Amino acid sequence: DAKTTQPTSMDCAEGRAANLPCNHSTISGNEYVYWYRQIHSQGPQYIIHGLKNNETNEMASLIITEDRKSSTLILPHATLRDTAVYYCIVRLQTSGSRLTFGEGTQLTVNP
Amino acid sequence: DTGVSQNPRHKITKRGQNVTFRCDPISEHNRLYWYRQTLGQGPEFLTYFQNEAQLEKSRLLSDRFSAERPKGSFSTLEIQRTEQGDSAMYLCASLRASGSNEQYFGPGTRLTVT
Repeated sequence: DAKTTQPTSMDCAEGRAANLPCNHSTISGNEYVYWYRQIHSQGPQYIIHGLKNNETNEMASLIITEDRKSSTLILPHATLRDTAVYYCIVRLQTSGSRLTFGEGTQLTVNP
Repeated sequence: DTGVSQNPRHKITKRGQNVTFRCDPISEHNRLYWYRQTLGQGPEFLTYFQNEAQLEKSRLLSDRFSAERPKGSFSTLEIQRTEQGDSAMYLCASLRASGSNEQYFGPGTRLTVT
């Protein structure tokens, strides 16, 4: 799996958009970008994933650059409950493959 | 609540003792994963099962660790002769192989070895 680089921490004001960047310059053509988050004392939670097109679901939007070497997870209206560690993971879309987590970004949403 | 349960949620044990954790995945999920997470780090893969077959084991899974999934439903992770370095959160996840690739995680079992 390709290596990812994320900032260690970020802050965001409640109600504003949170934009979490991820660099994955060694991504290969058949690897997907996945995002998970982990709220304190809970297990990780799937957020969204994509290959090359931008994706949106009820939780977030994923913007992948045209060269696929970086991506941004967008939480459009951050709430205090979005405070968590966010993990960007690059992996093959093969059923059953493990998740390789880095250290992630600690997002703190402030009131 | 993701539907994946783990028991116990917390375990304190003395060095040298054996411990066993249990994971109950979502019922229709045939793949089950174990991860370990130490403070300030992301989870690290340990092993996974498809039904009752253990298909992959990480080098992190020393001889003191053993995992089973005897009937393809719940799974147990046993650590023999625990060491202080085994102190961590042990996470279980499951997915349905024919469905999406989202892994659903349980709340974890926090192990403290004194």
